[in-house]
Amino acid sequence: EVQLVESGGNLVQPGGSLRLSCAASGFTFSSYGMNWVRQAPGKGLEWVSYITTSSSTIYYADSVKGRFTISRDNAKNSLYLQMNSLRDEDTAVYYCARDSGRYYAADYWGQGTLVTVSS
Amino acid sequence: DIQMTQSPSSLSASVGDRVTITCRASQSIRNYLNWYQQKPGKAPKLLIYGASNLQSGVPSRFSGSGSGTDFTLIISSLQPEDFATYYCQQSYESFTFGPGTKVDIK
Repeated sequence: EVQLVESGGNLVQPGGSLRLSCAASGFTFSSYGMNWVRQAPGKGLEWVSYITTSSSTIYYADSVKGRFTISRDNAKNSLYLQMNSLRDEDTAVYYCARDSGRYYAADYWGQGTLVTVSS
Repeated sequence: DIQMTQSPSSLSASVGDRVTITCRASQSIRNYLNWYQQKPGKAPKLLIYGASNLQSGVPSRFSGSGSGTDFTLIISSLQPEDFATYYCQQSYESFTFGPGTKVDIK
């Protein structure tokens, strides 16, 4: 069974940093691109970042470019999101999601981890 | 950047109704259009990929069509478990979600 489990969400002050993790199981992690997607309270989905299987290609949303860094460790079946210079507007549930390999659609999602940026 | 719009933003419907949701891209995205369903407090669920391909396990009452800039999600006969918010997503150039369409009970 495919499972994605996020962790690392917390309350952090503006300007602070946080590192999110996503532990993958039930599939060959190294064979799939991965995404981070977030959802602010009461709002819609916002794609954050994407990383290819070998980390050779990475994309970021303009809203996080230069502040967030996506990475992966295929040996540990894990995906990460390093978030620096956090702002109030980064408050959201952060989901990791697997790229199905078909039109880059995300076929499996974690349950999400809440990041709250507030003083 | 490619912008996505959806209409309507919300709709009220009854069980058994045919529901149509439209998604429009600001430029051609060929058929790199995916549809997701999200229920409150839950992660999104993939329904349709590549504009018209039904994800495994998704009921056949869901269908998608379109290419270029205009796309449609149709629920042929709305069921109680279909009351949710639906998002389109372009994956042609980076990724962008539409603002969502909330389907609630009439």
